[in-house]
Amino acid sequence: KQEVTQIPAALSVPEGENLVLNCSFTDSAIYNLQWFRQDPGKGLTSLLLIQSSQREQTSGRLNASLDKSSGRSTLYIAASQPGDSATYLCAVPPSGSSNTGKLIFGQGTTLQVKP
Amino acid sequence: DADVTQTPRNRITKTGKRIMLECSQTKGHDRMYWYRQDPGLGLRLIYYSFDVKDINKGEISDGYSVSRQAQAKFSLSLESAIPNQTALYFCATSDRHNEQFFGPGTRLTVL
Repeated sequence: KQEVTQIPAALSVPEGENLVLNCSFTDSAIYNLQWFRQDPGKGLTSLLLIQSSQREQTSGRLNASLDKSSGRSTLYIAASQPGDSATYLCAVPPSGSSNTGKLIFGQGTTLQVKP
Repeated sequence: DADVTQTPRNRITKTGKRIMLECSQTKGHDRMYWYRQDPGLGLRLIYYSFDVKDINKGEISDGYSVSRQAQAKFSLSLESAIPNQTALYFCATSDRHNEQFFGPGTRLTVL
């Protein structure tokens, strides 16, 4: 059964710092991996989608990497800003599913960037 | 305008009442999903639909039902609400690459 873990659960950094958020999954046979951002009480915003054949994806100051063999993904945020403060979630398909669209979510890492 | 909209955004109801949450999307996606989010439990899939005639149960479908009225509309019903259904409910759609797009959520409180 696919399980997703995100460590740490919370992170506080000063503005301008580069940081890495971690995501681990137990079943490496994933179809893709998606990173989301969630602001308090709000919906999820898709940040990056990495297909199984890809090693990384970049969008602005964000870079997500995928290492299927070790069951890990990292989200790198460069030059963090207070507006980056939010909860970051990663998600992968359940075990045994390919192109079903279903996702298993991690618990998230809550990031606070202090001015 | 938002691509995925949910109504209502907030709802307080009493135990035993029937309630419907509605979701509409303008993204043209065939696939739609309903999730609930609870503190400490994260997001869990309730139901999903690949098209109007294809509806499937997720991991926590008991106590819920859905209706796919059209490609753009997917409704979630609680036939007889109970307090442990108090949660934040999200609708989502996905494209052919399985990238999911979420609505703003409905905060439901069952007293």
